[in-house]
Amino acid sequence: KNEVEQSPQNLTAQEGEFITINCSYSVGISALHWLQQHPGGGIVSLFMLSSGKKKHGRLIATINIQEKHSSLHITASHPRDSAVYICAVRPPDSGGGADGLTFGKGTHLIIQP
Amino acid sequence: DTGVSQDPRHKITKRGQNVTFRCDPISEHNRLYWYRQTLGQGPEFLTYFQNEAQLEKSRLLSDRFSAERPKGSFSTLEIQRTEQGDSAMYLCASSPQGYNEQFFGPGTRLTVL
Repeated sequence: KNEVEQSPQNLTAQEGEFITINCSYSVGISALHWLQQHPGGGIVSLFMLSSGKKKHGRLIATINIQEKHSSLHITASHPRDSAVYICAVRPPDSGGGADGLTFGKGTHLIIQP
Repeated sequence: DTGVSQDPRHKITKRGQNVTFRCDPISEHNRLYWYRQTLGQGPEFLTYFQNEAQLEKSRLLSDRFSAERPKGSFSTLEIQRTEQGDSAMYLCASSPQGYNEQFFGPGTRLTVL
């Protein structure tokens, strides 16, 4: 079973700061997801990565497959970015076997005005 | 609304009672996933369907848990003889075949008294 570790567990920053959240995993994967969860439970998919780097607005996600590590960056952070950010990995394609995601525990981010 | 929907959003029950949750995936998404999330933790994978076939159920937490997707559209998750430890958020997600991104529903929050 893949072990997914996120750091930090909690992060409080001031508005405008550059934010980095890290994720490492123990076993090879077919894809890595970054998800955002707001109070109340709703989960939104931010990125799905299998290599390289993706950017969407102020969010940037990178992955290093060899090092089994990914980072999520938020530039010019804003209080509305306050949420739990979760890293999740998908196992290699097993042709119909266990296809569910394995999740980290999440990083609780608070951006203060 | 064309997103994943779940019903009910909240359920309070007494220990020993049976509960059933429903998930309606995005139309024509043939993969459907169930996850459980306890307070302060990332979600954990329970089971998944491709159309009506349940391809992975070994992660269901005990034989009190069962899931169905009889016509390959909506799915139900049943918990028999509920215990206080079953209190959690139950999340459903769907995806089209051959596409890794999963789209999450709002979840059903279960409280067992």
